[in-house]
Amino acid sequence: GNSVTQMEGPVTLSEEAFLTINCTYTATGYPSLFWYVQYPGEGLQLLLKATKADDKGSNKGFEATYRKETTSFHLEKGSVQVSDSAVYFCALRLPKGAGSYQLTFGKGTKLSVIP
Amino acid sequence: KAGVTQTPRYLIKTRGQQVTLSCSPISGHRSVSWYQQTPGQGLQFLFEYFSETQRNKGNFPGRFSGRQFSNSRSEMNVSTLELGDSALYLCASSSDLSSGNTIYFGEGSWLTVV
Repeated sequence: GNSVTQMEGPVTLSEEAFLTINCTYTATGYPSLFWYVQYPGEGLQLLLKATKADDKGSNKGFEATYRKETTSFHLEKGSVQVSDSAVYFCALRLPKGAGSYQLTFGKGTKLSVIP
Repeated sequence: KAGVTQTPRYLIKTRGQQVTLSCSPISGHRSVSWYQQTPGQGLQFLFEYFSETQRNKGNFPGRFSGRQFSNSRSEMNVSTLELGDSALYLCASSSDLSSGNTIYFGEGSWLTVV
């Protein structure tokens, strides 16, 4: 079946540190890949996405590259801020015609950034 | 442009009762889906509707049901509530079923079953 595996948290970093959150997936066909972020008490916000191999999604200093050969979509940021403290979810969505258009999520990684 | 709106935001119900949650998608969006979020199970897909038709359903018991109206607004219902139904219920909308289309989430409805 389709699944997403992301690194276990929590992750605690000092401000301005480099962030990497690993995400790998298993899917039939060529899914679209997403990173969502959830701040305390809120819903999910799309952080970035990539729809085909070698695409790089980027937003607010975060980046992730769709690597089909390693079935990965790792999230990176060069210098984290306290305001980046949140839970990050990696997700995939199968292509149209696959019969299922739901998002399949990883378990989430909680990031805490300390001053 | 208004986002996805969910009501109510918070509610407390007693075991055995039923609950109805409402979702208004972004204007023009015809696809609405629902997810349950719990600390133990994470985010799990409940169902998806497109133009009033249920297109897909997750692995939940029949106590969980939903529908979509002609104006794309959606409701989900949980009957005979159990303690384990306590969760954040998230509604999401997108313009169509294309894989790469952005899916926008509401802030969720926090359900506590006591």
